[in-house]
Amino acid sequence: DAKTTQPNSMESNEEEPVHLPCNHSTISGTDYIHWYRQLPSQGPEYVIHGLTSNVNNRMASLAIAEDRKSSTLILHRATLRDAAVYYCILFLLYNQGGKLIFGQGTELSVKP
Amino acid sequence: DVKVTQSSRYLVKRTGEKVFLECVQDMDHENMFWYRQDPGLGLRLIYFSYDVKMKEKGDIPEGYSVSREKKERFSLILESASTNQTSMYLCASSDRGNRNSNQPQHFGDGTRLSIL
Repeated sequence: DAKTTQPNSMESNEEEPVHLPCNHSTISGTDYIHWYRQLPSQGPEYVIHGLTSNVNNRMASLAIAEDRKSSTLILHRATLRDAAVYYCILFLLYNQGGKLIFGQGTELSVKP
Repeated sequence: DVKVTQSSRYLVKRTGEKVFLECVQDMDHENMFWYRQDPGLGLRLIYFSYDVKMKEKGDIPEGYSVSREKKERFSLILESASTNQTSMYLCASSDRGNRNSNQPQHFGDGTRLSIL
């Protein structure tokens, strides 16, 4: 299974942008890139996903490199509530649907 | 908003007991999943189901079974609990869409299971 590599931890200041990097050098042409986050004592929460083009939604932006071997999740203005573990995941097609392969994630701390 | 509800937040059982973890979703999703989460190992897929009465093994199915008798409910069963099954268990659901549609998964808040 293709894997992702993320830094173990990152720090940010409140109200500043945050760029969370992810490497996925073994990605295949049909693998989508998903991002989830997990707040303390909660289950993971979907953030965003994309295939080739950059994507925006109300939570974040996803910038995907032209060769698709890396991507960056962008939080435009970090808040204290954004402190969480962020997972960069490749969605693998599997039988009738697909499955997410979670890595270790990046623990983001946000300082006031 | 999608609601995935797991029956217990905390559960303590004894070695050898049969344990049932229940999960219910309210969005008529076809796909449902069971994961376990352990420090240093991340989330690992145990089983998933893409329709009523259908099930597929995930990456670590040994020691577990599942039941999907109704679309909204997906049960994880530990036939004879062992201490190495102490973990956080997470249930998720997703719409099927089409095979390539990559529908997001919606997670419950987890059941922390301790086997003594």
